[in-house]
Amino acid sequence: DGGITQSPKYLFRKEGQNVTLSCEQNLNHDAMYWYRQDPGQGLRLIYYSQIVNDFQKGDIAEGYSVSREKKESFPLTVTSAQKNPTAFYLCASSNDRGVQFFGPGTRLTVL
Amino acid sequence: QKEVEQDPGPLSVPEGAIVSLNCTYSNSAFQYFMWYRQYSRKGPELLMYTYSSGNKEDGRFTAQVDKSSKYISLFIRDSQPSDSATYLCAMMGAGSYQLTFGKGTKLSVIP
Repeated sequence: DGGITQSPKYLFRKEGQNVTLSCEQNLNHDAMYWYRQDPGQGLRLIYYSQIVNDFQKGDIAEGYSVSREKKESFPLTVTSAQKNPTAFYLCASSNDRGVQFFGPGTRLTVL
Repeated sequence: QKEVEQDPGPLSVPEGAIVSLNCTYSNSAFQYFMWYRQYSRKGPELLMYTYSSGNKEDGRFTAQVDKSSKYISLFIRDSQPSDSATYLCAMMGAGSYQLTFGKGTKLSVIP
């Protein structure tokens, strides 16, 4: 089955730790995205990548980093510089019409 | 003025009712319009995709776009308890790979 997988489903981080969220897609999509979702805030774009080895900052990139070494994978690292990282993180990829398809999400909680 | 406005609800309707969900937008460059359904603690799933003005029907769902009024709607006929979810509108301009989302409307269908 084609789709987007995210792991882990739940993640707990201690203060000062970096954590990496995984996102993999087998839809053969070129573009991939990371969003953060907070209650009442809607979806906010963190980073996006339109092609391998290239990515751009979204609206709230501070405290986050990404890489795009393979077409299928777009991991997100939440660094210790992100002061309020507790949120629901969503990864998406888009087809050649720009329609985005989402993964199941990772819920990150800071302890 | 926010680019996309969507009433957050919550909206509560009895089973079998017709539901109307709406978004207004300010950017006249938007040409592609989408509706996503998001169940609690899950990733959004694409419901409807439309281009420019007009109607599109898929089963119990109808999407309408009125570009002259900068207004889009999603109608759900014969609503079911399984339709209880948050509905997100999203839109983008031609040649863009970035979606602008509404904050979502939370719908509850009461048996």
